[in-house]
Amino acid sequence: QVTLKESGPGILQPSQTLSLTCTFSGFSLSTYGMGVGWIRQPSGKGLEWLANIWWDDDKYYNPSLKNRLTISKDTSNNQAFLKITNVDTADTATYYCARIEGSSPPFAYWGQGTLVTVSS
Amino acid sequence: DIQMTQSPASLSASLGETVTIECLASEDIYSNLAWYQQKPGKSPQLLIYDASSLQDGVPSRFSGSESGTQYSLEINSLQSEDAATYFCQQHHDYPYTFGAGTKLELK
Repeated sequence: QVTLKESGPGILQPSQTLSLTCTFSGFSLSTYGMGVGWIRQPSGKGLEWLANIWWDDDKYYNPSLKNRLTISKDTSNNQAFLKITNVDTADTATYYCARIEGSSPPFAYWGQGTLVTVSS
Repeated sequence: DIQMTQSPASLSASLGETVTIECLASEDIYSNLAWYQQKPGKSPQLLIYDASSLQDGVPSRFSGSESGTQYSLEINSLQSEDAATYFCQQHHDYPYTFGAGTKLELK
């Protein structure tokens, strides 16, 4: 059974760095073809893809966030991470991690999401 | 970036009816199109991938089709539990992009 769960700080101040953790089970990020992606959704709005990381440590980022994103993984502990630097109120959203598999895959399994609020 | 233009933004339908939601891709995405259902307070759930493949466990009243760069999600015999917001997503090229969503209300 594939499960994913996001965790984050809940609230942080503008200009700080947001650190998110995705803890998963039912698959391994050391397995060929596996990956984890991050997606966010402001309340009442649409979905925005942020980044993907693959079993071979290949990484892809949404260029709209320029160089603020860093995705990484800890294969031994079944975790993936996302850092967003210099946050502002526009980064307030629910952040999801999701599993991807194979070439050109959709997001087949999603975590429950973690709400992050940026406020001074 | 590939733009996904989704329509309508909202629709209202009755139980048992059939509805269609569409997404127009700004360029060829070679059938790499997924549909998700999202209920309030929940994470999105994958319904359809590769334009027309039904995800395991998804009722057969959901179906996907394509015509050129136009992709459609059809829901037959609407049930009360189908009230939700539906999103399309292209998974052909980076950056992955989503449609703006369609809110389906049951009368």
